[in-house]
Amino acid sequence: DVKVTQSSRYLVKRTGEKVFLECVQDMDHENMFWYRQDPGLGLRLIYFSYDVKMKEKGDIPEGYSVSREKKERFSLILESASTNQTSMYLCASSAVTGRVVYGYTFGSGTRLTVV
Amino acid sequence: DAKTTQPNSMESNEEEPVHLPCNHSTISGTDYIHWYRQLPSQGPEYVIHGLTSNVNNRMASLAIAEDRKSSTLILHRATLRDAAVYYCILARKGAQKLVFGQGTRLTINP
Repeated sequence: DVKVTQSSRYLVKRTGEKVFLECVQDMDHENMFWYRQDPGLGLRLIYFSYDVKMKEKGDIPEGYSVSREKKERFSLILESASTNQTSMYLCASSAVTGRVVYGYTFGSGTRLTVV
Repeated sequence: DAKTTQPNSMESNEEEPVHLPCNHSTISGTDYIHWYRQLPSQGPEYVIHGLTSNVNNRMASLAIAEDRKSSTLILHRATLRDAAVYYCILARKGAQKLVFGQGTRLTINP
């Protein structure tokens, strides 16, 4: 089975801390994504990457940065955590065939609480 | 990206078929129709996708209207484990990402 593994299931951080969320996939997928999910707002795309060292902003990139140094690993960084970044963070990867993105596989999510 | 419209919620009974509708009247010729579902406390999971023809896999069937302005995800025999939020998403060929809407919350009654 394709696996997308997120390093932590639950995380509690203090306001102003630098926070790293790690995601690793084992299927040699080209694309990787970071979403956040909040009640009533659904899943919103923060950043995505379609190749090593490449990144693209999603719909809500403010306050976040990402790093993809290896194909299998995609990190989300909160430079200075704030309470409005309390959320469920979901990482995903996907294959691309014939220019069609399909078969997203999501991790189990990291529930981040910023206090 | 073209928009999709789904009912907020639906209810069905265990062991009965479920038909989840999705309207996408502004779909373009290169838009693929994707379905995902999200079980409680989990990330979304891929269900099925298609372009023009109906598609079947072990999880579900996707029926696409002839004019492609609507589609239906069919669960042939619902189980309690199928209770989830189901997302219908359009993505153009060449698009790098999927945009998730609010989806349909499906409740299955025992």
